[in-house]
Parts: sequence; structure tokens; C-alpha cells
Amino acid sequence: TQLLEQSPQFLSIQEGENLTVYCNSSSVFSSLQWYRQEPGEGPVLLVTVVTGGEVKKLKRLTFQFGDARKDSSLHITAAQPGDTGLYLCAGVDSNYQLIWGAGTKLIIKP
Amino acid sequence: NAGVTQTPKFRVLKTGQSMTLLCAQDMNHEYMYWYRQDPGMGLRLIHYSVGEGTTAKGEVPDGYNVSRLKKQNFLLGLESAAPSQTSVYFCASSSGDITNQPQHFGDGTRLSIL
Repeated sequence: TQLLEQSPQFLSIQEGENLTVYCNSSSVFSSLQWYRQEPGEGPVLLVTVVTGGEVKKLKRLTFQFGDARKDSSLHITAAQPGDTGLYLCAGVDSNYQLIWGAGTKLIIKP
Repeated sequence: NAGVTQTPKFRVLKTGQSMTLLCAQDMNHEYMYWYRQDPGMGLRLIHYSVGEGTTAKGEVPDGYNVSRLKKQNFLLGLESAAPSQTSVYFCASSSGDITNQPQHFGDGTRLSIL
């Protein structure tokens, strides 16, 4: 069974701080997706990374795909209360299946 | 601007009862999916469909059945509900397969089995 481990599971920080969350696996993925899910809603796709070493930016969010395509990170600069939510990563494996992480629950306090 | 709509939003069942969850999408997507989300676990794929009239098993299909009689609708059935099926169920759709097309999710159905 392939696993996609996300860390930390829970993070609570003050507005204005920076943070990084991680998505790690022993398996290689052809691509990796990051989603944000707010309470009572479904996940919403933020970004897809495809190439090893790729970096994508979405305003204050920076996503990086590891060189070996086994891990990824999400860095948020100057976090805001609107960033609060559950961040999920999901990787496409060699069988073209989407493997989901359990998520990082992020709370940004004003 | 509806996207993916799931009904009902909440439901409480007794063990052994049956019910059907409905998913409707208005984006003319070929692919549709049913997931369950449990605390501390990632989304797990129950069943999926790559087009009208087709269905396939996902990671955790036991205890569930699905039908895709119309392209815009994907139904998930529980024939005899069990407490282990208490979960939040999400439907998603995409225009192509997951390797190159994003999935669009509904807001979920919260199901409790007593």
C-alpha cells in the first residue's frame, strides 16, 4: 500500500508568520496536486506540479516538487486568517491512481 | 454556476437501512468519482465512472453500488448500511482522467449510521 504522509497533522500559528507543510512518500509520482478544503465544503485544487524540482507560486503560496518526485512542500508567507483550512496533497502513481494524504489542518489566528 | 451538487447534505440512518446518494454535475464531464473521507485518513475512492453507462471499483467498494445511467448523474447506493459506513461522502467530476485534468468536488454528504 502506497502512503503519502503529510506533516504536521495540525498547525496553529499567528497571522503574519511563515509556515511550511510537507507531503512525503517512498513512491515516485508522475504529478502531485495540492488542495485546500474548508469546513463543510469539498477540496478545491490549488496547483499541480509535474516536473521534478518544479516550483510554482500562487500569491503567497509556494509549492515545490522534489527532484526525485517523491515529496512536495507548501510554503505560506505571511499567513492570513483566510489561509485557514485543511491542506491535502494527492499524487498520481505509476498505476495512474490518485493517492491522497490525510491532510494538514492549518489555523491562522488573527 | 452550480458545478457538482450532492444531495442530501446530511442523513442519519439505522443499521440495515438502505439509501441512495445523488451527485449531479452540469459541466458535461465524462469522469465522475465517489470518495469517502474519514478523520485522520486521506480521501478513499469507492467507485468511479469514465462515462455514461460505465462504472468501476475503487479502493474501498465493498458495501456500495453505483450507477451512471445519465452522463450528468452518478448515484451511490448503500443496500444495508453499517456503522462502519459513517463518513463524509464526496462526489467529484473531471473532463478527463486524473493524470491531466483537475477534479471538481461537491460539498459532501454527511452520513451517520446508528
